[in-house]
Amino acid sequence: AQSVTQLGSHVSVSEGALVLLRCNYSSSVPPYLFWYVQYPNQGLQLLLKYTTGATLVKGINGFEAEFKKSETSFHLTKPSAHMSDAAEYFCAVSGDGGSQGNLIFGKGTKLSVKP
Amino acid sequence: EPEVTQTPSHQVTQMGQEVILRCVPISNHLYFYWYRQILGQKVEFLVSFYNNEISEKSEIFDDQFSVERPDGSNFTLKIRSTKLEDSAMYFCASSPGLVTDTQYFGPGTRLTVL
Repeated sequence: AQSVTQLGSHVSVSEGALVLLRCNYSSSVPPYLFWYVQYPNQGLQLLLKYTTGATLVKGINGFEAEFKKSETSFHLTKPSAHMSDAAEYFCAVSGDGGSQGNLIFGKGTKLSVKP
Repeated sequence: EPEVTQTPSHQVTQMGQEVILRCVPISNHLYFYWYRQILGQKVEFLVSFYNNEISEKSEIFDDQFSVERPDGSNFTLKIRSTKLEDSAMYFCASSPGLVTDTQYFGPGTRLTVL
């Protein structure tokens, strides 16, 4: 069965600092990996996804993530945090053999950005 | 930009009552999903729906739950007899295709069972 672990339920950075949100997964088949963001009182919005091909994936709002099979990781980064990045971030995996596309989510990481 | 909408935004009900949560997926999407998030816990998959039938469901989705696409635009989740532990945020999502396609999520319905 697939699972996702997000290290750190809360991460706080200063504006302009590097953002690093960690995600590790387990999967018995090649995974499809996703990062979603949730702003207050809104639904989940896709930031980026990895399916096949290039392991460094670029998403919206300057975020990127790198699929590292050897480390079973898909960490999310952004070189310089903005105040508007404050939100909750969810890593998810899908693609398990019998799955019809349902996403398995991590617990989420709440990002705070200090001025 | 097309978006998934959900109504109501907040539903309060008494234990044992039936509730129907409503979703309008993006119009040209073929796959529909319900997820839930109990406060402080992970977002959990409940059910996926394609071609007017359930394609996959989780262990959570027991006989108390049902889904329907009654009129070609709405997608509903019914809970027949609510329990306290059904209190959660319920998210609807839709996608054009499977697995690698992006799932677009609605803003959620917060269900409170008293």
